[in-house]
Amino acid sequence: GQNIDQPTEMTATEGAIVQINCTYQTSGFNGLFWYQQHAGEAPTFLSYNVLDGLEEKGRFSSFLSRSKGYSYLLLKELQMKDSASYLCAFMDSNYQLIWGAGTKLIIKP
Amino acid sequence: IAGITQAPTSQILAAGRRMTLRCTQDMRHNAMYWYRQDLGLGLRLIHYSNTAGTTGKGEVPDGYSVSRANTDDFPLTLASAVPSQTSVYFCASSDNEPDEQFFGPGTRLTVL
Repeated sequence: GQNIDQPTEMTATEGAIVQINCTYQTSGFNGLFWYQQHAGEAPTFLSYNVLDGLEEKGRFSSFLSRSKGYSYLLLKELQMKDSASYLCAFMDSNYQLIWGAGTKLIIKP
Repeated sequence: IAGITQAPTSQILAAGRRMTLRCTQDMRHNAMYWYRQDLGLGLRLIHYSNTAGTTGKGEVPDGYSVSRANTDDFPLTLASAVPSQTSVYFCASSDNEPDEQFFGPGTRLTVL
């Protein structure tokens, strides 16, 4: 079967670094997406990994290990505006996204 | 308009009523999707359309129908609403697979 898992909630301090993990199981895989969703708003795209390794984009980086079914999103130099939910999703063999429930990130001053 | 729009923004509906949620995109994307988002659950795909004139069922299609008469519009219809369809509904579109999906602002639907 298919499943995907990420922590429900994390807390971090402004200016610090936080890593949000995501694990998944699937027989067909076409990449791993991370989205950011502020409360009451639509999800917005952050990153896409299809090959193993780290992709860096400014303060945000995303890592993928296909053999381990594992990804993480790394947020550096945290700002209060980074308080949001972070959604992990993998694309299955039918090119449909299977979504995790999201990780609510709380940033404290 | 730029991107994806959805209407209405929110709606309270009596059980048993028929309701159509509207979705329009101006990016000329081939694929469009309808998701529902419920607290504690991930986004769940209701229906999708890979191109105008074709539609497919997602993970939770029961009680919903869609049509794709043209590239821009992808309405979602609840034939006879039930309280379990209370949710936030997001429409999304993408150009090619496996491109990122762009989301509309959502419709908050309450069925009483």
